[in-house]
Amino acid sequence: EVQLVESGGGLVQPGGSLRLSCAASGFTFSNYWMHWVRQAPGKGLVWVSRINIDGSRTKYADSVMGRFTISRDNAKNTLYLHMKSLRAEDTAVYYCARDGRGDYETYFDYWGQGSLVTVSS
Amino acid sequence: QVVLTQSPSASASLGDSVRLTCTLSSGHSNYAIAWHQQQPEKGPRYLMKLESDGSHSKGDGIPDRFSGSSSGAERDLTISSLQSEDEADYYCQTWGSDIVFGGGTKLTVL
Repeated sequence: EVQLVESGGGLVQPGGSLRLSCAASGFTFSNYWMHWVRQAPGKGLVWVSRINIDGSRTKYADSVMGRFTISRDNAKNTLYLHMKSLRAEDTAVYYCARDGRGDYETYFDYWGQGSLVTVSS
Repeated sequence: QVVLTQSPSASASLGDSVRLTCTLSSGHSNYAIAWHQQQPEKGPRYLMKLESDGSHSKGDGIPDRFSGSSSGAERDLTISSLQSEDEADYYCQTWGSDIVFGGGTKLTVL
């Protein structure tokens, strides 16, 4: 059974940093591109970032470019999102998701349960 | 950039059928999309990938009550024999130069 479990969320002050983790199991993690998607309170889903299978190619939404860094550790079957210079508008539930095609950025065939990040003083 | 348009809300009665529509912006009518369901206070769940010709491939464990169809720029999700647990937000999503979500449709089961 495919499982994606996020952790690392919490309350952080504006300008602060946080690292989210996503532990993957039930599939060969190193064969799949992975994504982060977020959802602000009461709002819709917004794609944030993606990474290819070996971490050599990454892509970001304009809203987080230069502040967020996606990475992965295939030996630990774990996806990360390093967030810095956090703003109030980054407050959201962050979901990790597996790419359905595996070798490109397409759709998401498995999602985690999400990790809440709250940016507030 | 492609834009996906969804009605904000829909409603139907228990046991009935409902069709939710996702419309692709001009010039993108050949795009495939994916449908995702988000029940209250839960993470999203992948329902299906829907091609421009109407062919679709569903996610693991998705009941036969969920089906998809396409016509021009419209990508439809039909849910038959509505159950209470189908009350949820439904998002369409596509990809190309960027990954884009529709605004979501909140389905109420009466």
